[in-house]
Amino acid sequence: DTAVSQTPKYLVTQMGNDKSIKCEQNLGHDTMYWYKQDSKKFLKIMFSYNNKELIINETVPNRFSPKSPDKAHLNLHINSLELGDSAVYFCASSPIGGTTNEKLFFGSGTQLSVL
Amino acid sequence: QQQVKQSPQSLIVQKGGISIINCAYENTAFDYFPWYQQFPGKGPALLIAIRPDVSEKKEGRFTISFNKSAKQFSLHIMDSQPGDSATYFCAASMLGTNAGKSTFGDGTTLTVKP
Repeated sequence: DTAVSQTPKYLVTQMGNDKSIKCEQNLGHDTMYWYKQDSKKFLKIMFSYNNKELIINETVPNRFSPKSPDKAHLNLHINSLELGDSAVYFCASSPIGGTTNEKLFFGSGTQLSVL
Repeated sequence: QQQVKQSPQSLIVQKGGISIINCAYENTAFDYFPWYQQFPGKGPALLIAIRPDVSEKKEGRFTISFNKSAKQFSLHIMDSQPGDSATYFCAASMLGTNAGKSTFGDGTTLTVKP
């Protein structure tokens, strides 16, 4: 069973389009995240949700809108895609509370290519 | 302002050798220092982590050395194997409600030659 699964794995689209990436975790974690990894492999947090509530919102263009219908799902919608949005987007989750709330469990990534 | 600096950017080691990756942090409020391993086409996976109350943690061939006064920590891979070839990220975070807001180093691509 995949702990953190995200779809699609690959996404190729034209500039200006709107696209969504879905993420689901079956670990029972309270917190979910979106990270962006650029072509140089730099990892940067974008958003974090704790039990459907937005708790971290880094400096990300408002074309990016996360949505958490429940604590097991965190989707990422991107409007008006730009060339610079091309990257690998990782969903992650972590438990909250106790001493294990720091460990991040990552999905396998969605490689977004904007043409 | 980069809060976690990682070096080297890339590392080539012979099979059986020791791989050493270093990280330095600035924010003294950080109190959790994990290392993640990422293979091509996969997401990062937690390898080993340390808290600042200990100076060393060992798990199999992987050891973290931590120097609180110098604000530095390093990953040592003993008896490196070709299967260890991956990108390694150090990270730092704070316990508490924002614990998951890990700040990552820029990554080190390790190649272990057979």
